[in-house]
Amino acid sequence: DIVMTQSPDSLAVSLGERATINCKSSQSVLYSSNNKNYLAWYQQKPGQPPKLLTYWASTRESGVPDRFSGSGSGTDFTLTISSLQAADVAVYYCQQYYTTPPTFGQGTKVEIK
Amino acid sequence: QLQLQESGPGLVKPSETLSLTCTVSGGSISSNSHYWGWIRQPPGKGLEWIGSVHYSGSTYYSPSLKSRVIISVDTSKNQFSLKLSSVTAADTTLYYCARHVEYFYNYIDVWGKGTTVTVSS
Repeated sequence: DIVMTQSPDSLAVSLGERATINCKSSQSVLYSSNNKNYLAWYQQKPGQPPKLLTYWASTRESGVPDRFSGSGSGTDFTLTISSLQAADVAVYYCQQYYTTPPTFGQGTKVEIK
Repeated sequence: QLQLQESGPGLVKPSETLSLTCTVSGGSISSNSHYWGWIRQPPGKGLEWIGSVHYSGSTYYSPSLKSRVIISVDTSKNQFSLKLSSVTAADTTLYYCARHVEYFYNYIDVWGKGTTVTVSS
């Protein structure tokens, strides 16, 4: 299985400041034939299911605010929240879907400083 | 707007079979573009993919659970189901049903609210 490792496990950011979450895969999730990275990001608020934020590493899901952006390629990926809002307090997960079984990172908890 | 809703017993005895059903509303389960999956999440922990099914009946399971899992689909009821046999305390967790986009282990664009199952005598 591909192991997904996120860092940090938690971070506290002031309102309006940038939050950066990293995700590293144990092998590349870039499919060379189509140059796509098989990597998604989800947001999970307390008591709720995960919500899809981005897929193909950087494609934002419909309705997701543009302050959320995904980047990276190969084995190293980043989710950036450009200006943290109170509504963004949540746990964030990355997921690879390059191969089965799909696997998730352990999660990064984002809080307000 | 498509919605998923899990249902089933919240308490299962050790060694018995856990059975959950996911009802799809606001859309058809008979979509060539989607696969229907189960994911679980232990309290305060990460997400584990269990497996998925296509409306045609094709199934795909996580190797770690394959020997104990059966996922099936009932297109007439717009439902799909999970059966997990020989459960232990380690299977006590929150179970989500979900919709994969285009492929059986692809990213997930719709999730149910989740249902907690406790394994205890």
